[in-house]
Amino acid sequence: ETGVTQSPTHLIKTRGQQVTLRCSSQSGHNTVSWYQQALGQGPQFIFQYYREEENGRGNFPPRFSGLQFPNYSSELNVNALELDDSALYLCASSQNGDPGELFFGEGSRLTVL
Amino acid sequence: KQEVTQIPAALSVPEGENLVLNCSFTDSAIYNLQWFRQDPGKGLTSLLLIQSSQREQTSGRLNASLDKSSGRSTLYIAASQPGDSATYLCVSMTTDSWGKLQFGAGTQVVVTP
Repeated sequence: ETGVTQSPTHLIKTRGQQVTLRCSSQSGHNTVSWYQQALGQGPQFIFQYYREEENGRGNFPPRFSGLQFPNYSSELNVNALELDDSALYLCASSQNGDPGELFFGEGSRLTVL
Repeated sequence: KQEVTQIPAALSVPEGENLVLNCSFTDSAIYNLQWFRQDPGKGLTSLLLIQSSQREQTSGRLNASLDKSSGRSTLYIAASQPGDSATYLCVSMTTDSWGKLQFGAGTQVVVTP
């Protein structure tokens, strides 16, 4: 167990709705990144937060947004859900983005109908 | 933009055989390369991390090599066991994208008893 926890583990939404996914980082980690993993594919980088500021973003539209809180927990918000947003959303935490100290949560499985 | 490709996409071997998983990447300016394991419906577990200055890393039955000049990494798993059944992901971090991981699509491995 990595110490990174995500909630909810599974959820179902309909097109056009909004969703909020949550991530609690490993203790002492100040950096969190979010990834989208569609079925049968590798994870795709969405964005990264370092000390409450976004400091890197992948090729995702603005309807994907995030927050990092003073305790370094994080949220991923997706507005105007589309069918293609159905995926496993993974959160990873690290200290200062160090890949040698990167721990993933087990993910939130989102299904959009 | 870094492209990471893994071949084969799926592999089935009898228990005891050695596994060879291949990964290629297009941008040799990598900071590091990692191999992760993903069990069905689960998050990711880091197996081996090779820094840019290294040529290989070993952990138990696992050995990973890195050849930046040819843009290749290989993961060897000796004497495979049914518990090795999982999807293995090759992941790079380039020098211009600290904290942002580029994933391959993975190789799904099944080890039959």
